[in-house]
Amino acid sequence: QSALTQPASVSGSPGQSITISCTGTSSDVGDYDFVSWYRQHPGKAPKLLIYEVTNRPSGVSNRFSGSKSGNTASLTISGLQAEDEADYYCTSYTISSTYVIFGGGTTLTVL
Amino acid sequence: QLQLQESGPGLVKPSETLSLTCSVSGGSITSRSHYWGWIRQPPGKGLEWVGGSYYSGPIYHNPSLKSRVTISVDTSKNQLSLKLTSVSAADTAVYFCARLGDTLTTPRVAFDIWGQGTMVTVSS
Repeated sequence: QSALTQPASVSGSPGQSITISCTGTSSDVGDYDFVSWYRQHPGKAPKLLIYEVTNRPSGVSNRFSGSKSGNTASLTISGLQAEDEADYYCTSYTISSTYVIFGGGTTLTVL
Repeated sequence: QLQLQESGPGLVKPSETLSLTCSVSGGSITSRSHYWGWIRQPPGKGLEWVGGSYYSGPIYHNPSLKSRVTISVDTSKNQLSLKLTSVSAADTAVYFCARLGDTLTTPRVAFDIWGQGTMVTVSS
């Protein structure tokens, strides 16, 4: 089963906004609003940033926002900060037998 | 506050079986709203879904690993376990356990709580 497609890397300057895409199919992202986003700093466990496409867990900054159009979900980070430099992953529910599917990950560099 | 802690040998020989345990504290593994899963990350690479289980089933697996993976829940010990047979160097990774919501309970189908991860190296 193929992973969700994410760009390998994105970059931005402090204070700017960036968007990371996550492309799937009608078997996952397209037909279900169960897309989540995670941030992972080196050597650490991933942290949930966004769930159910647009929702932020308690304690997550409102600089992080999510959206979806068709088979592509997106994570937008506004007001980039140095601490945002990390790897970002998306996941989605999938109708296949695996239940959940991961994106390949995107490395964000804050210039 | 629910916490997860992985444990197991850090070194496994090729062709042998990798066995890991995830201990759940501060809550019950018999939650009717959550699955418990294993995710791994080879050095320098992305996250990979290994598989997960509801406390009373069903069990989901990554198709690429399915024939080698056994995931089980011990409710008496509040633990999730992973067994991966016939390991090779390709199975070298940090292994995380995480709580995964079902499709009915917010956050739905999201990994909201993670263990710190445990590094497993496959080498003779």
